[in-house]
Amino acid sequence: AQTVTQSQPEMSVQEAETVTLSCTYDTSESDYYLFWYKQPPSRQMILVIRQEAYKQQNATENRFSVNFQKAAKSFSLKISDSQLGDAAMYFCAYRSAPGFGNEKLTFGTGTRLTIIP
Amino acid sequence: EAGVAQSPRYKIIEKRQSVAFWCNPISGHATLYWYQQILGQGPKLLIQFQNNGVVDDSQLPKDRFSAERLKGVDSTLKIQPAKLEDSAVYLCASSLRFVADKQETQYFGPGTRLLVL
Repeated sequence: AQTVTQSQPEMSVQEAETVTLSCTYDTSESDYYLFWYKQPPSRQMILVIRQEAYKQQNATENRFSVNFQKAAKSFSLKISDSQLGDAAMYFCAYRSAPGFGNEKLTFGTGTRLTIIP
Repeated sequence: EAGVAQSPRYKIIEKRQSVAFWCNPISGHATLYWYQQILGQGPKLLIQFQNNGVVDDSQLPKDRFSAERLKGVDSTLKIQPAKLEDSAVYLCASSLRFVADKQETQYFGPGTRLLVL
């Protein structure tokens, strides 16, 4: 079974600065997808960014980018120019690729990000 | 495009009572998921439907939890009888499936917060 580990329960960053959230995972599959979800206090889970394991290039979405290290099974999220609206719980998640196993999302325990004005 | 709808948003019951949650996925989404999110943890999949068929219910406590999606659209999740440890947020998500795009995204509803006293 796949596992996802987020070793930072809480992080804080000054507004406009850059912060990196860590995620490691364990799997024996060769093809899979990795996601970062944001969950603000309203509880609605929102997709931030996704990465396909077979793609070498790191995904980028505006101020959000990932550092995907497949051999190390590491998938960190970098938030640049942090804004007050970025404050939330951030969850790293893993999903098998079609044909490789159950396609359910396996989540980490989350990192609470606080933005300091 | 309307998002995933869930009701109620909050529910307080006493142990041994029964409770039901409702979810209406995004129009056209074939796959529907129910997750349980206990405080301080990431969401855990309870059950996954493909249209009105169950794909995965391996982590559903079947002695007390049941779920159905009779017409392949909206779904209900029931707990009977409830236990104290069922206190959690119950998240519903949906995804399109059956498309060539492998980058299938799960879209989450706002969740139902259940407190069992």
